[in-house]
Amino acid sequence: TQLLEQSPQFLSIQEGENLTVYCNSSSVFSSLQWYRQEPGEGPVLLVTVVTGGEVKKLKRLTFQFGDARKDSSLHITAAQPGDTGLYLCAGVERTTGFQKLVFGTGTRLLVSP
Amino acid sequence: EAQVTQNPRYLITVTGKKLTVTCSQNMNHEYMSWYRQDPGLGLRQIYYSMNVEVTDKGDVPEGYKVSRKEKRNFPLILESPSPNQTSLYFCATRGYYGYTFGSGTRLTVV
Repeated sequence: TQLLEQSPQFLSIQEGENLTVYCNSSSVFSSLQWYRQEPGEGPVLLVTVVTGGEVKKLKRLTFQFGDARKDSSLHITAAQPGDTGLYLCAGVERTTGFQKLVFGTGTRLLVSP
Repeated sequence: EAQVTQNPRYLITVTGKKLTVTCSQNMNHEYMSWYRQDPGLGLRQIYYSMNVEVTDKGDVPEGYKVSRKEKRNFPLILESPSPNQTSLYFCATRGYYGYTFGSGTRLTVV
């Protein structure tokens, strides 16, 4: 099973600041997903990036998939308290007739007013 | 509303007492899986089921069993729980647009 490392593990910032979360692996994934998890709830899918170098934007969130499909980043512009949560990246391993999701260790974000 | 429903949400039990965590989905998805979430380790897959005829082990299957007698239900069974199975458990389905997770079951084994 491939491993995904996220950095930083914890991030505490003030409202309005920008931030970037990184997701790195030594192996290649067919695609990569980002989830946000709030206390007491399951992860909720934010985005899937498929092509190396792909950039997707979701309002103030920008997701990028590395050219080699081994890494990804999530950039939040002008963070708001509503962005607080646990952010998880997950790589999709795909073999013949089978698909598996491998999760990163997570980045816990706290945005204070 | 598309949902994955787990029960119970919270459970405290004693070592060795068999328990079942239920999972039900209303999206007609073939694929279902169970994960456990532990601090610093992320979510790790316990078991998955491609359809009602196929279930298989994930990365951490020891001490767990599953059953897939019908498409909508995928219960997780702990025959003899131990303290190291204290964790937050999630059931998930996979459809065309991606994965949908339940709200979780927090299990404490004392």
